[in-house]
Parts: sequence; C-alpha cells; structure tokens
Amino acid sequence: EVQLVESGGGLVQPGGSLRLSCAASGFTFGTYWMTWVRQAPGKGLEWVANINQDGSEKYYVDSVKGRFTISRDNAKNSLYLQMNSLRAEDTAVYYCASDIGVNGYMDVWGKGTTVTVSS
Amino acid sequence: EIVLTQSPVTLSLSPGERATLSCRASQSVSSYLAWYQQKPGQAPRLLIYDASNGAPGIPARFSGSGSGTDFTLTISSLEPEDFAVYYCQQRRNWPWTFGQGTKVGIK
Repeated sequence: EVQLVESGGGLVQPGGSLRLSCAASGFTFGTYWMTWVRQAPGKGLEWVANINQDGSEKYYVDSVKGRFTISRDNAKNSLYLQMNSLRAEDTAVYYCASDIGVNGYMDVWGKGTTVTVSS
Repeated sequence: EIVLTQSPVTLSLSPGERATLSCRASQSVSSYLAWYQQKPGQAPRLLIYDASNGAPGIPARFSGSGSGTDFTLTISSLEPEDFAVYYCQQRRNWPWTFGQGTKVGIK
C-alpha cells in the first residue's frame, strides 16, 4: 500500500526550530518529486516546497525562503522539512505529498502533522 | 506569482443538483491545472489534472474544462459525500499556487 506518514510536529516558541519528517512506503521513493503543503487553521492550502528525485532541485514559496530547507534521504525513504526562525504565521497542518500515480500532480498525501508556533 | 481566484466562495445546493465552480488565473497556466476536494479533518484528494482529466478512481460525475486562464469544475449531480471544499492549483510556474477554495454546502 502506498503511504506517506508525517511526524515531528508540535508546539514551538517564535524563533525556534522544528524538523518535520515524512516516511514513505509502498513505492520507489527515489523516483518521485516530493512536496510539502501547509494549511493554517481555518484557511486554505498553501504550497511550501518541492524537491526533485535526487535532491538537486529545490523550490520554495517566498514566505519560507531562507528559513525552511527541504531535503530527502532516498536510502531511508524519507522526506524532511527543516524549519528555522519560526513565526506565528507558520502555524499550520503540514502535509507531504507526491505525484505517484499522476505525473506532476499531488495524488498521494499523508494525513499531516500539526505545527503550532506560540509563546 | 500566478494568482488563482475561485468563485463563488460558497455554493449552497441540494443533493442531485449540478454544481459549477470557477477558477480564474492571473496569467495563462496552459492546461497545468488541477482540482482537489477536501473534507474536514482530511487531506486533500486529487480529482482532476491537466484541466480536464479525471484522476484514477474519481467518479464520472466530476469533470473539468478550460485552458489558459479560465477553468471550470462541474459536478453533474451532487451526492451527499460531495459536500466539501474544492481548490484549484496550478503547476505552470513556480511557486505553485492554490485558489482560496469554494465551499459546497447543503442547502
């Protein structure tokens, strides 16, 4: 069964750091682009970052550039999001997703992990 | 950045009725547009990709049309499980962007 499982969310103070993980199973992880998408409480979806198969290409939404880093470890079938200098506006459910069945579009999603930035 | 504007924000319909949702892009996205459905507490679900192709396993009552800057998602006859929020998303340019969503509620 194709599965993505996020972890690492929690409560962190403004200015703090957190590292999210996404464990992949049921497919050949190293052959797909991976994506992080977030959703603030009661708000819509926001694309955060993408990484290509070997990690040589990375793209970010402007609001996280210089603070967040997407990475992957294909040997461990894992995707990461290192989040530094966290702000209240980073509070959201963070989803990892991939285009496993439909090339270029996010057709497989995890259930999400919640990040709360508050003092 | 390509801005996607969805309309209406809220749609109130009864089961069995036809739903028509709109997504307008601030510049051409060609056909690189998707539609997602999201229910409370759940991850989004891909419905339509490349503007008009149904994702695997999606019922035929969901259809998409359009290209360039104007797109439509149509649900031909609403089922009880279709009441949800719908988002469009473009992948023509970085950054990828989503519309603000249309909530389809029960009338």
